[in-house]
Amino acid sequence: QFVLTQSPSASASLGASVKLTCTLSSGHSNYAIAWHQQQPEKGPRYLMKLNSDGSHIKGDGIPDRFSGSSSGAERYLTISRLQSDDEADYYCQTWGTGYVVFGGGTKLTVL
Amino acid sequence: EVQLVQSGAEVKKPGESLKISCKGSGYRFPNYWIVWVRQMPGKGLEWMGIIYPGDSDTRYSPSFQGQVTISADKSVNTAYLQWSSLKASDTAIYYCARSLTIYTGDWGFDPWGQGTLVTVSS
Repeated sequence: QFVLTQSPSASASLGASVKLTCTLSSGHSNYAIAWHQQQPEKGPRYLMKLNSDGSHIKGDGIPDRFSGSSSGAERYLTISRLQSDDEADYYCQTWGTGYVVFGGGTKLTVL
Repeated sequence: EVQLVQSGAEVKKPGESLKISCKGSGYRFPNYWIVWVRQMPGKGLEWMGIIYPGDSDTRYSPSFQGQVTISADKSVNTAYLQWSSLKASDTAIYYCARSLTIYTGDWGFDPWGQGTLVTVSS
């Protein structure tokens, strides 16, 4: 069973940086993922596609404050210079032959 | 501008049928996969299924196989999600989204539709 694991919550201060983690289950460490942001009461928004080598392609209009990186089975989303509207749920998502998987999401609180 | 526009909110009774829609514009609709995603109240995103409008090739999550039907009409650039007999537990927001690329199996998604709230209550 292909699983993406995310911490349920994270917090960081306004203006600081935060690194969110998405862990791919065993045997899937070379998979690419996508990161999506869901602000309160809004639909999801695509942030980036993140490959196993750390290269990433961001969506249109996504600020440079958002970046991605990879290490083994871990995929990271780093948000720099946190703003209040970065407070949101962040989901990682991946895919295989004929299926799609979402992580459980991380709720980011900006203090 | 690439855009997905979903049909409006629905209120239904248990046992009723329903078909919601997702209309694409600004791109070649037949060539990109459309995914359907459920979000139950206060919960995360769940993959339901995905369709290629060009030939209606459809894959379902095992959790939703037999519970819903996904279809597409490429002549009107629209994908659909339908239920034959709704349950109270189908109450959720349903999102559609488009694949990043035209390639099968390259399934990041952008953009997303605005969501359709389905409420099932007696």
